[in-house]
Amino acid sequence: DTAVSQTPKYLVTQMGNDKSIKCEQNLGHDTMYWYKQDSKKFLKIMFSYNNKELIINETVPNRFSPKSPDKAHLNLHINSLELGDSAVYFCASSPGTLNQPQHFGDGTRLSIL
Amino acid sequence: QQQVKQSPQSLIVQKGGISIINCAYENTAFDYFPWYQQFPGKGPALLIAIRPDVSEKKEGRFTISFNKSAKQFSLHIMDSQPGDSATYFCAASPPTGRRALTFGSGTRLQVQP
Repeated sequence: DTAVSQTPKYLVTQMGNDKSIKCEQNLGHDTMYWYKQDSKKFLKIMFSYNNKELIINETVPNRFSPKSPDKAHLNLHINSLELGDSAVYFCASSPGTLNQPQHFGDGTRLSIL
Repeated sequence: QQQVKQSPQSLIVQKGGISIINCAYENTAFDYFPWYQQFPGKGPALLIAIRPDVSEKKEGRFTISFNKSAKQFSLHIMDSQPGDSATYFCAASPPTGRRALTFGSGTRLQVQP
Protein backbone atom coordinates (compact mmCIF):
# COMPACT_ATOMS: atom_id res chain seq x y z
CA ASP A 1 0.00 0.00 0.00
CA THR A 2 1.48 3.29 -1.12
CA ALA A 3 1.44 5.82 1.71
CA VAL A 4 1.85 8.99 -0.39
CA SER A 5 0.98 8.59 -4.05
CA GLN A 6 1.41 11.12 -6.81
CA THR A 7 0.07 11.08 -10.34
CA PRO A 8 1.33 11.27 -12.94
CA LYS A 9 4.88 10.03 -12.41
CA TYR A 10 6.04 11.71 -15.60
CA LEU A 11 4.61 14.75 -17.29
CA VAL A 12 5.94 16.05 -20.60
CA THR A 13 4.23 19.10 -22.03
CA GLN A 14 4.73 22.23 -24.05
CA MET A 15 5.46 25.70 -22.79
CA GLY A 16 2.32 27.71 -22.10
CA ASN A 17 0.15 24.72 -21.23
CA ASP A 18 -1.71 24.22 -17.95
CA LYS A 19 -1.21 21.00 -16.00
CA SER A 20 -2.13 19.43 -12.68
CA ILE A 21 -0.39 16.99 -10.37
CA LYS A 22 -2.41 15.02 -7.87
CA CYS A 23 -1.35 13.77 -4.46
CA GLU A 24 -3.10 11.49 -2.04
CA GLN A 25 -1.99 10.13 1.33
CA ASN A 26 -3.57 7.21 3.18
CA LEU A 27 -1.68 7.75 6.44
CA GLY A 28 -4.35 9.83 8.14
CA HIS A 29 -1.94 12.77 8.35
CA ASP A 30 -3.17 16.32 8.89
CA THR A 31 -0.41 18.17 7.05
CA MET A 32 0.63 17.95 3.42
CA TYR A 33 3.42 19.65 1.47
CA TRP A 34 4.67 20.32 -2.02
CA TYR A 35 8.42 20.47 -2.61
CA LYS A 36 10.32 21.22 -5.80
CA GLN A 37 13.59 19.45 -6.57
CA ASP A 38 15.64 21.13 -9.28
CA SER A 39 18.19 19.63 -11.64
CA LYS A 40 20.90 19.96 -8.97
CA LYS A 41 18.71 17.97 -6.59
CA PHE A 42 18.06 20.95 -4.34
CA LEU A 43 14.78 20.47 -2.45
CA LYS A 44 12.71 23.49 -1.59
CA ILE A 45 9.31 23.85 0.08
CA MET A 46 6.58 25.42 -2.02
CA PHE A 47 3.36 25.02 -0.06
CA SER A 48 1.97 23.38 3.04
CA TYR A 49 -1.59 22.68 4.09
CA ASN A 50 -2.84 21.67 7.51
CA ASN A 51 -6.37 20.26 7.57
CA LYS A 52 -7.12 21.91 4.23
CA GLU A 53 -5.80 25.28 5.42
CA LEU A 54 -2.83 26.90 3.68
CA ILE A 55 -0.09 27.48 6.25
CA ILE A 56 3.01 27.90 4.11
CA ASN A 57 3.18 29.73 0.82
CA GLU A 58 6.75 30.31 -0.23
CA THR A 59 7.80 32.76 -2.88
CA VAL A 60 6.28 30.81 -5.72
CA PRO A 61 4.88 32.36 -8.92
CA ASN A 62 1.11 32.88 -8.91
CA ARG A 63 0.96 30.40 -11.77
CA PHE A 64 1.24 27.69 -9.12
CA SER A 65 -1.96 27.08 -7.20
CA PRO A 66 -2.41 24.31 -4.65
CA LYS A 67 -5.82 22.90 -3.87
CA SER A 68 -6.75 20.70 -0.94
CA PRO A 69 -10.27 19.26 -1.30
CA ASP A 70 -9.82 17.27 1.91
CA LYS A 71 -6.95 16.55 4.26
CA ALA A 72 -5.97 13.41 2.35
CA HIS A 73 -5.47 15.21 -0.94
CA LEU A 74 -3.29 18.08 -2.08
CA ASN A 75 -3.19 18.86 -5.76
CA LEU A 76 -0.93 21.28 -7.59
CA HIS A 77 -2.13 23.18 -10.64
CA ILE A 78 0.33 25.05 -12.79
CA ASN A 79 -0.75 27.61 -15.38
CA SER A 80 1.22 28.86 -18.38
CA LEU A 81 4.11 26.46 -17.91
CA GLU A 82 7.62 27.82 -18.47
CA LEU A 83 10.91 26.11 -19.22
CA GLY A 84 12.11 26.88 -15.71
CA ASP A 85 9.27 24.83 -14.24
CA SER A 86 11.02 21.65 -15.34
CA ALA A 87 11.82 19.79 -12.12
CA VAL A 88 10.69 16.93 -9.95
CA TYR A 89 7.79 17.84 -7.70
CA PHE A 90 7.38 15.93 -4.46
CA CYS A 91 4.32 15.69 -2.30
CA ALA A 92 4.80 14.85 1.39
CA SER A 93 2.68 14.48 4.50
CA SER A 94 3.23 14.49 8.25
CA PRO A 95 0.99 13.77 11.24
CA GLY A 96 0.70 17.42 12.25
CA THR A 97 2.52 20.70 12.37
CA LEU A 98 4.86 19.48 15.07
CA ASN A 99 8.29 18.26 14.09
CA GLN A 100 7.38 14.78 12.99
CA PRO A 101 8.67 12.66 10.14
CA GLN A 102 7.54 13.72 6.71
CA HIS A 103 6.64 10.94 4.29
CA PHE A 104 7.38 11.68 0.66
CA GLY A 105 5.80 10.42 -2.53
CA ASP A 106 8.03 9.24 -5.37
CA GLY A 107 7.75 12.49 -7.27
CA THR A 108 6.40 13.77 -10.56
CA ARG A 109 9.04 14.58 -13.14
CA LEU A 110 7.81 17.56 -15.13
CA SER A 111 9.55 18.28 -18.43
CA ILE A 112 8.70 21.36 -20.44
CA LEU A 113 9.47 21.25 -24.15
CA GLN B 1 19.87 32.51 1.68
CA GLN B 2 21.00 28.95 2.30
CA GLN B 3 20.18 28.24 5.91
CA VAL B 4 21.56 24.70 5.94
CA LYS B 5 24.94 24.09 4.32
CA GLN B 6 25.91 20.52 3.50
CA SER B 7 29.25 19.00 2.56
CA PRO B 8 30.73 17.26 0.72
CA GLN B 9 28.74 17.38 -2.49
CA SER B 10 29.84 13.86 -3.35
CA LEU B 11 31.62 11.10 -1.50
CA ILE B 12 33.19 7.82 -2.54
CA VAL B 13 33.82 5.25 0.16
CA GLN B 14 35.06 1.69 0.05
CA LYS B 15 32.80 -1.07 1.32
CA GLY B 16 33.21 -1.42 5.07
CA GLY B 17 34.46 2.13 5.48
CA ILE B 18 32.91 5.05 7.35
CA SER B 19 30.93 7.68 5.46
CA ILE B 20 30.73 11.12 7.05
CA ILE B 21 28.49 13.94 5.87
CA ASN B 22 28.45 17.31 7.56
CA CYS B 23 25.87 20.06 7.87
CA ALA B 24 25.91 23.52 9.39
CA TYR B 25 22.88 25.67 10.10
CA GLU B 26 22.35 29.36 10.72
CA ASN B 27 18.92 29.63 12.30
CA THR B 28 19.24 29.09 16.05
CA ALA B 29 15.48 28.53 16.21
CA PHE B 30 15.85 25.17 14.46
CA ASP B 31 15.14 22.35 16.85
CA TYR B 32 14.60 19.29 14.67
CA PHE B 33 17.34 17.85 12.48
CA PRO B 34 16.47 14.87 10.28
CA TRP B 35 18.52 13.09 7.67
CA TYR B 36 16.84 11.79 4.54
CA GLN B 37 18.04 9.16 2.09
CA GLN B 38 17.00 9.32 -1.54
CA PHE B 39 17.45 6.63 -4.18
CA PRO B 40 17.14 7.44 -7.90
CA GLY B 41 13.52 7.74 -8.97
CA LYS B 42 12.27 7.72 -5.39
CA GLY B 43 11.24 10.30 -2.87
CA PRO B 44 13.39 11.12 0.16
CA ALA B 45 12.88 8.75 3.08
CA LEU B 46 13.60 9.58 6.70
CA LEU B 47 16.73 7.84 7.92
CA ILE B 48 17.33 9.23 11.40
CA ALA B 49 16.57 12.46 13.26
CA ILE B 50 17.83 14.29 16.33
CA ARG B 51 16.74 17.11 18.59
CA PRO B 52 19.25 19.54 20.15
CA ASP B 53 18.83 18.21 23.69
CA VAL B 54 21.12 15.27 22.86
CA SER B 55 24.58 15.25 21.31
CA GLU B 56 24.38 11.90 19.60
CA LYS B 57 21.80 9.43 18.34
CA LYS B 58 22.53 6.02 16.95
CA GLU B 59 20.29 3.70 14.97
CA GLY B 60 22.02 0.61 13.66
CA ARG B 61 24.92 1.68 11.44
CA PHE B 62 23.72 5.28 11.30
CA THR B 63 24.74 7.90 13.87
CA ILE B 64 23.97 11.60 14.10
CA SER B 65 26.41 13.77 16.01
CA PHE B 66 25.12 17.17 17.07
CA ASN B 67 27.12 20.20 18.23
CA LYS B 68 24.73 22.92 19.32
CA SER B 69 27.36 25.54 20.11
CA ALA B 70 28.95 25.16 16.69
CA LYS B 71 25.56 24.84 14.99
CA GLN B 72 26.72 21.73 13.20
CA PHE B 73 25.52 18.17 12.86
CA SER B 74 26.81 15.20 10.96
CA LEU B 75 25.79 11.77 9.75
CA HIS B 76 28.13 8.84 10.17
CA ILE B 77 27.48 5.61 8.31
CA MET B 78 29.53 2.79 9.78
CA ASP B 79 30.48 -0.29 7.77
CA SER B 80 29.22 1.36 4.58
CA GLN B 81 27.63 -1.01 2.07
CA PRO B 82 27.01 -0.69 -1.69
CA GLY B 83 23.29 -0.60 -0.87
CA ASP B 84 23.91 2.65 1.00
CA SER B 85 24.77 4.34 -2.30
CA ALA B 86 22.22 7.15 -2.53
CA THR B 87 21.85 10.88 -2.08
CA TYR B 88 21.67 12.04 1.52
CA PHE B 89 20.04 15.25 2.66
CA CYS B 90 20.27 16.91 6.02
CA ALA B 91 17.40 19.15 7.00
CA ALA B 92 16.18 21.35 9.81
CA SER B 93 12.97 22.95 10.98
CA PRO B 94 11.86 25.31 13.78
CA PRO B 95 9.44 24.33 16.56
CA THR B 96 6.75 26.85 15.81
CA GLY B 97 5.12 28.62 12.94
CA ARG B 98 6.31 27.52 9.56
CA ARG B 99 7.46 23.95 10.06
CA ALA B 100 8.53 22.97 6.58
CA LEU B 101 11.94 21.39 6.33
CA THR B 102 14.86 23.43 5.08
CA PHE B 103 17.10 21.01 3.25
CA GLY B 104 20.82 20.97 2.66
CA SER B 105 22.05 20.66 -0.90
CA GLY B 106 22.55 16.90 -0.73
CA THR B 107 25.52 14.52 -0.79
CA ARG B 108 25.79 11.82 -3.36
CA LEU B 109 27.37 8.79 -1.69
CA GLN B 110 28.89 6.00 -3.69
CA VAL B 111 30.09 2.91 -1.83
CA GLN B 112 32.43 0.84 -3.92
CA PRO B 113 32.48 -2.96 -3.52
